[in-house]
Amino acid sequence: DSGVTQTPKHLITATGQRVTLRCSPRSGDLSVYWYQQSLDQGLQFLIQYYNGEERAKGNILERFSAQQFPDLHSELNLSSLELGDSALYFCASSALPGGYTFGSGTRLTVV
Amino acid sequence: GNSVTQMEGPVTLSEEAFLTINCTYTATGYPSLFWYVQYPGEGLQLLLKATKADDKGSNKGFEATYRKETTSFHLEKGSVQVSDSAVYFCALSDLDGANNLFFGTGTRLTVIP
Repeated sequence: DSGVTQTPKHLITATGQRVTLRCSPRSGDLSVYWYQQSLDQGLQFLIQYYNGEERAKGNILERFSAQQFPDLHSELNLSSLELGDSALYFCASSALPGGYTFGSGTRLTVV
Repeated sequence: GNSVTQMEGPVTLSEEAFLTINCTYTATGYPSLFWYVQYPGEGLQLLLKATKADDKGSNKGFEATYRKETTSFHLEKGSVQVSDSAVYFCALSDLDGANNLFFGTGTRLTVIP
């Protein structure tokens, strides 16, 4: 157990739908990062939050959004889902500076 | 900008063979460098890291040396085991305070008995 908890582990949904992925960071870590891992795009950085504030944005689509709550857990919202959004979504947390601790991911399948 | 170029896989080795996975980077300044490993069905785990030039990171028999002159951080292991089969990612962290990690594309290693 890495200390970063992601739920759900698997999600199957239809095109056009909206889903929410949840991440609880490791205790004491203020930063949360979201990554998308797909076969053709590799590991893509989506967005970072630090202590509730958006800190950095990567290749995140406008249909996607995220937030970090006062208890530091984070949610990634994916809307108007397309087949191409099928991927593994990872959350990671860190205590600056240093390496990340990753969760085990949420596998999203859009059908 | 920041980027990491990693040797493409897949790599297939026999048990006890020597492993090298090449990684070069482009960055402004002197980033920290990392190797992460992803075992089947799991998230990424930090394998080793180096924070400044000439540092050697090591863990579980794996080593990588931060070479500023060649902008490289190649991963090596003298004798691989079947249990080392995984995808290996080279990464660098930026220096602007956001601590973002930039990953290479990953190299899949399969070790056969």
